[in-house]
Amino acid sequence: NAGVTQTPKFRILKIGQSMTLQCTQDMNHNYMYWYRQDPGMGLKLIYYSVGAGITDKGEVPNGYNVSRSTTEDFPLRLELAAPSQTSVYFCASSPRGGANTGELFFGEGSRLTVL
Amino acid sequence: QQPVQSPQAVILREGEDAVINCSSSKALYSVHWYRQKHGEAPVFLMILLKGGEQKGHEKISASFNEKKQQSSLYLTASQLSYSGTYFCGTPGEGAQKLVFGQGTRLTINP
Repeated sequence: NAGVTQTPKFRILKIGQSMTLQCTQDMNHNYMYWYRQDPGMGLKLIYYSVGAGITDKGEVPNGYNVSRSTTEDFPLRLELAAPSQTSVYFCASSPRGGANTGELFFGEGSRLTVL
Repeated sequence: QQPVQSPQAVILREGEDAVINCSSSKALYSVHWYRQKHGEAPVFLMILLKGGEQKGHEKISASFNEKKQQSSLYLTASQLSYSGTYFCGTPGEGAQKLVFGQGTRLTINP
C-alpha cells in the first residue's frame, strides 16, 4: 500500500521562485494536513483540509497556498520563495478529525532549500 | 495554541525509565503521541481519547489527566530503539486540526 506519497523529496529553489509540493493519499481519508519542520524544531501546521473543496489556515500559513479538488490530492504551493521557507515539509492524512482525530499517516517528507 | 512538552531533552542509559509530559492551557479532548527518528517522518504511537485513559505500546505507556489538561508518556526499561524525538499532539482551536508540542529529544546510550 502506498499510503501518503509526497513529491519531490528534495528541491533547491532560488529566492523568488515558485513551486508546488505534491501530496497524494490512497486511503480515502477526508482529513489532510501540511506541516513544516525546521531543523531541530517541532511540527508547525501550515494548512489543513477536512474534505474536498474545504481548506483552512493553520499556525503558519503566510507564503503558502493550498487547494483540495479531490479527496486524494492536497498540493501545497509556495509563491515567491524566501530563505525562511527552507524546511522539511510533511503531508499527513487522517480518517477522522475534530476532537476524535484519528491517527495521522505521514508522507516521507519533502526537503526544500531556498538560496 | 500548541501544547507544551517537558523536558526538552533526556539522556538515559539503556534499561532506565523516562517520563515525558505534555500540557495545555486549553481543555484537552484527546492527546496523540508520535516518535520521530532522525531524518524520518513521525510515527504514530497512541491516542488517548478519554480523561484518565491509559494505553500501552510495547514498554511505552501513557496517561491522560483531563482535569489537569495534561498527558504523560512513560518509557520503561528503555531500549536503544527508543531513541528519537517524541511529540504530543492535541486538537487545536476549533478542534479540526492537530497541533504539536515542540518535542522531547530522547537519547539512549548503551
